Amino acid sequence: GAVVSQHPSRVICKSGTSVKIECRSLDFQATTMFWYRQFPKQSLMLMATSNEGSKATYEQGVEKDKFLINHASLTLSTLTVTSAHPEDSSFYICSAPGGTGNTIYFGEGSWLTVV
Amino acid sequence: SQKIEQNSEALNIQEGKTATLTCNYTNYSPAYLQWYRQDPGRGPVFLLLIRENEKEKRKERLKVTFDTTLKQSLFHITASQPADSATYLCALDMSGSSASKIIFGSGTRLSIRP
Repeated sequence: GAVVSQHPSRVICKSGTSVKIECRSLDFQATTMFWYRQFPKQSLMLMATSNEGSKATYEQGVEKDKFLINHASLTLSTLTVTSAHPEDSSFYICSAPGGTGNTIYFGEGSWLTVV
Repeated sequence: SQKIEQNSEALNIQEGKTATLTCNYTNYSPAYLQWYRQDPGRGPVFLLLIRENEKEKRKERLKVTFDTTLKQSLFHITASQPADSATYLCALDMSGSSASKIIFGSGTRLSIRP
């Protein structure tokens, strides 16, 4: 079964509105989670590192005020796309390091369509 | 900055043959290199991790090599099956101390024809 769960799996929103995507680690705690974005036929691009109890670290070129990240607990990180535009339509994926070894678990992804 | 290149965007081979995918990187050698499988519309699934001091790693029909001199990793699937058709991603850790913050190559879309 999935050890990292994302919700919703698909969401459609209107331009100008905000949408929140949740990433949960199941059966393990994750002080760090990562958010990626993937456009069709392209690879995953790291957006930001979500840190429990502190501010997220954003990759170059990613607007922190547009992509709000909150990591309020050891099992939950949220990504909020604010004032969404059609060009924000993409596949958003989160990941979290597993409890042992160097395994990274990815969520199932969330399809965002902005109309 | 570190760059990862997967030379083939797409690879088509006959069932039963060995598929070989290539991953090259620039700049510093990472402590770890990973390979993932991604099916359409799904998140990536971890396959194998190889450390810088390991030349080769195997898991069932999968084999990964890591050449830090060439700055290259090869990913092999032996006795390939149509079910192996997917996009395969090479990934490197950027944290330097743990395989958590990783960046991905562009991926190779592998198609196995019956």
